Amino acid sequence: GNSVTQMEGPVTLSEEAFLTINCTYTATGYPSLFWYVQYPGEGLQLLLKATKADDKGSNKGFEATYRKETTSFHLEKGSVQVSDSAVYFCALSDQRGSTLGRLYFGRGTQLTVWP
Amino acid sequence: DAGVTQSPTHLIKTRGQHVTLRCSPISGHKSVSWYQQVLGQGPQFIFQYYEKEERGRGNFPDRFSARQFPNYSSELNVNALLLGDSALYLCASSLALSANTGELFFGEGSRLTVL
Repeated sequence: GNSVTQMEGPVTLSEEAFLTINCTYTATGYPSLFWYVQYPGEGLQLLLKATKADDKGSNKGFEATYRKETTSFHLEKGSVQVSDSAVYFCALSDQRGSTLGRLYFGRGTQLTVWP
Repeated sequence: DAGVTQSPTHLIKTRGQHVTLRCSPISGHKSVSWYQQVLGQGPQFIFQYYEKEERGRGNFPDRFSARQFPNYSSELNVNALLLGDSALYLCASSLALSANTGELFFGEGSRLTVL
């Protein structure tokens, strides 16, 4: 079956520190991979995505590379800001059905950045 | 443009009662999905509707049902509420069905508390 495993939180960093949030997955077929972010008081927003092996998704300084050999999609940012404080969710979509609506989410990782 | 809107934002029910949650997708989006997010966990897929037809159903009991109206808005109904149904219920809409080209847009959710 399909599942996503994220590193446990919370993660607390100082501003300008390097961020890595680990994500590994189990999937049948050829999934697309996503990172969603949930800022306080807001709905989930797509941060970045990758649809095939070796693709790199990037947005707002965040990056993640689709690694099929290690079944991973780790999120990285070189220099975090206080405004990056949020909950980050890794997710996958089973490609076989080509239906976008069904995503499988990890548990989420709370990130807090201090000035 | 308005995003995905959900109502009510908060509600409290007692065990055995029934609840109806409502969702209006982004204008032009024909696909609506529902997710349940229990505190401390990632969202879990409940249903997807596209063009008023059910396109997917997650591992939830028959107490959960949904429908989509001709204007693409949607309702999620839960009967015989249990304490374990307490959660944030998220609605998401999308323009496309394919994970390669589409993006899910989430509402802020309806927070249900069952006493």
